[in-house]
Amino acid sequence: EAQVTQNPRYLITVTGKKLTVTCSQNMNHEYMSWYRQDPGLGLRQIYYSMNVEVTDKGDVPEGYKVSRKEKRNFPLILESPSPNQTSLYFCASSPGSWTEAFFGQGTRLTVV
Amino acid sequence: GQQVMQIPQYQHVQEGEDFTTYCNSSTTLSNIQWYKQRPGGHPVFLIQLVKSGEVKKQKRLTFQFGEAKKNSSLHITATQTTDVGTYFCAGIAMYSGGGADGLTFGKGTHLIIQP
Repeated sequence: EAQVTQNPRYLITVTGKKLTVTCSQNMNHEYMSWYRQDPGLGLRQIYYSMNVEVTDKGDVPEGYKVSRKEKRNFPLILESPSPNQTSLYFCASSPGSWTEAFFGQGTRLTVV
Repeated sequence: GQQVMQIPQYQHVQEGEDFTTYCNSSTTLSNIQWYKQRPGGHPVFLIQLVKSGEVKKQKRLTFQFGEAKKNSSLHITATQTTDVGTYFCAGIAMYSGGGADGLTFGKGTHLIIQP
């Protein structure tokens, strides 16, 4: 089954404790991206990747890192999480930046 | 940077009434996509519009792309309880060099249906 898998689905952590949210897709898509969703603000892009080893900042990249060492994986790294990074995070993949995006189930992160 | 405005933010309708959400971009778009997110779920792709003035239908849903490729609308006829959710438009800007960038989402319209 074609899918985008995120882990974990829920995470509560403390300020400053490094964490990684994993994202994996099995559709051989070249384009992957991370979004955060906050009430009243919709979906905002954090980082995107056009292909392996090619990443770029989206609209709200501060406080986040990503890597794309393999085509299928695109982890989101928070080196020192802060409470303002409490949000619902979605990973998405697509054949290209202009085509249909497939979203993961989401990761609800709470930073206390 | 590119901005995509979507209205209304919330829409309450009685079951059976029609619903429309509107999307406006600050820049010309190469294409526009529509997504639906059920409560507690993730965004799911509905459709993509590419051509100026394009109209597409999916059962009770009608999607339009403006002639100037800067606005779009989604109209649902005779809403049903299964239509509940948030509808997002997402545009891809067309730059003067002919290239394209990633998706910019509108803030979404929450559709609430009263039986």
